[in-house]
Amino acid sequence: GAVVSQHPSRVICKSGTSVKIECRSLDFQATTMFWYRQFPKQSLMLMATSNEGSKATYEQGVEKDKFLINHASLTLSTLTVTSAHPEDSSFYICSAIFSSGGWDTQYFGPGTRLTVL
Amino acid sequence: GDSVTQMEGPVTLSEEAFLTINCTYTATGYPSLFWYVQYPGEGLQLLLKATKADDKGSNKGFEATYRKETTSFHLEKGSVQVSDSAVYFCALRFSGGYNKLIFGAGTRLAVHP
Repeated sequence: GAVVSQHPSRVICKSGTSVKIECRSLDFQATTMFWYRQFPKQSLMLMATSNEGSKATYEQGVEKDKFLINHASLTLSTLTVTSAHPEDSSFYICSAIFSSGGWDTQYFGPGTRLTVL
Repeated sequence: GDSVTQMEGPVTLSEEAFLTINCTYTATGYPSLFWYVQYPGEGLQLLLKATKADDKGSNKGFEATYRKETTSFHLEKGSVQVSDSAVYFCALRFSGGYNKLIFGAGTRLAVHP
């Protein structure tokens, strides 16, 4: 099946610094990727839709200036958490849309655990 | 708005027991329904899906039937294994929703030998 990777898998940073997380579709091209946030023992909350070559669409309540998304190519989307604070600590998961046979399937990356000290 | 409700976990079963994880949804249109599984330390994997009423999705011994009359998509397996221990998420995708998925809260399953 289609594979989506994320890098890094874990990151620890100091409060006030910025962190970049990469999401790559390894064996297919994805014009659309999604970024989710998952709190411990909770469900995934959609943060934004990343579209190749255009601005991301953010969900209500998500600060676009804090969570910068860049989808520069058909295989790469990046999420940058700017001026991170402890409350940004979470598990961030991306997904990419794989289109085949007229059906779109979301494939998920393994996630990135961010800890802000 | 559209939403998904799952039974609370954790669900603890012995190996070879029968599994049911309830899932109901609220949607204004005719969504597609999914079950995803998240193994410890990993991302979500699509387990099965159903795109219209009365469709049955199945995979790896798991089954779920799209019941429009009860707005449900319960996950079942006749005989669980220890390797099935994971968190299971029910989700819907609205037909006009640009592939957006709405997830339930997830149900943790623990299977003991």
